[in-house]
Amino acid sequence: EDQVTQSPEALRLQEGESSSLNCSYTVSGLRGLFWYRQDPGKGPEFLFTLYSAGEEKEKERLKATLTKKESFLHITAPKPEDSATYLCAVQGSVGNQFYFGTGTSLTVIP
Amino acid sequence: DADVTQTPRNRITKTGKRIMLECSQTKGHDRMYWYRQDPGLGLRLIYYSFDVKDINKGEISDGYSVSRQAQAKFSLSLESAIPNQTALYFCATSGNDFQPQHFGDGTRLSIL
Repeated sequence: EDQVTQSPEALRLQEGESSSLNCSYTVSGLRGLFWYRQDPGKGPEFLFTLYSAGEEKEKERLKATLTKKESFLHITAPKPEDSATYLCAVQGSVGNQFYFGTGTSLTVIP
Repeated sequence: DADVTQTPRNRITKTGKRIMLECSQTKGHDRMYWYRQDPGLGLRLIYYSFDVKDINKGEISDGYSVSRQAQAKFSLSLESAIPNQTALYFCATSGNDFQPQHFGDGTRLSIL
């Protein structure tokens, strides 16, 4: 069964304190792994797609990496505006459905 | 204007009422999805449609129905609402395989 687990559930960082969020997955035939950011009262906003192990994508202070079993979202020198819930999702080859993790709630303290 | 628009944004109703949530998109995508989001459970798929003539049940379709009126419109109905259907509902669209989903800003539904 396709499954996505994110850790930690919540993370508090001081401004400038770098860290990583984890997304572990089990999927039949990975078509893509997706990272989203969700702000309160809003829908998830797409950040990155990773397709194969070894791939990396970067955007401002965020960098996503992918192995055969997990993905990391690295946040370098975070700012308070990076505070949000970060969601990970995978799309498998069976049924073309997307499976979401429960997210990591990130708070960056000034 | 938003690419994926959901109406209403908030709705409070009573047990037993019929409710329709609507979604329209301007992205030109064929694929549309309905999810519900509950604290601690993440996003769970209710129904999805890959084109106007294609409707598929997701993980939690019991108690819900959908209609794909056009490529750009996908509505979700609760025929007889019950309190445990209180949740945040999201519509999403995607292009072909390997493409990410794009979400609306959700409908917060409360059933008393």
